[in-house]
Amino acid sequence: EDQVTQSPEALRLQEGESSSLNCSYTVSGLRGLFWYRQDPGKGPEFLFTLYSAGEEKEKERLKATLTKKESFLHITAPKPEDSATYLCAVHNQAGTALIFGKGTTLSVSS
Amino acid sequence: EAGVTQFPSHSVIEKGQTVTLRCDPISGHDNLYWYRRVMGKEIKFLLHFVKESKQDESGMPNNRFLAERTGGTYSTLKVQPAELEDSGVYFCASSQNRVDEQYFGPGTRLTVT
Repeated sequence: EDQVTQSPEALRLQEGESSSLNCSYTVSGLRGLFWYRQDPGKGPEFLFTLYSAGEEKEKERLKATLTKKESFLHITAPKPEDSATYLCAVHNQAGTALIFGKGTTLSVSS
Repeated sequence: EAGVTQFPSHSVIEKGQTVTLRCDPISGHDNLYWYRRVMGKEIKFLLHFVKESKQDESGMPNNRFLAERTGGTYSTLKVQPAELEDSGVYFCASSQNRVDEQYFGPGTRLTVT
């Protein structure tokens, strides 16, 4: 069964304290792994797509990496405005839907 | 360019009533998806349209849920009659191609009392 597991569930950081979020997945034939950011009361906002092991994408303080079994979202020198829930998702086997993890809620304090 | 829009943003109804949610995808996006997040759980897929055709409705919970996409533009999701367990946030998303990233709307928070 296709599945996405994210850890930790919650993460508290001090401003400038770098860390990583983990997303492990089990799916037959990865068609894409997606990272989204979700702020309270809003819909998920697209961040990155990764398609193959070894691929990396960067945007400001965020860097996403992909292996054959997991993806990491590295946050370098975070700021309070990076506080949000970060969601990981993969396409299902049919490629018709995204399967989401429960997310990691990140809080960055100044 | 306008993003995905959803209406209403919040709906409170009584058990047994009917509610219709609307989604307007990004212009030119043939693929439209409905998802739902129930309290404490992950976002789960409901169904997928390509233009006006349903491609996959395997995530629809039961026959109280009816989705339509008239003319391949906006979509509606009707819940009739609503039950308490239908409460949650309903998200709509769209994409240009099936394998592309999906862009989400702000969601409709449905509360059934």
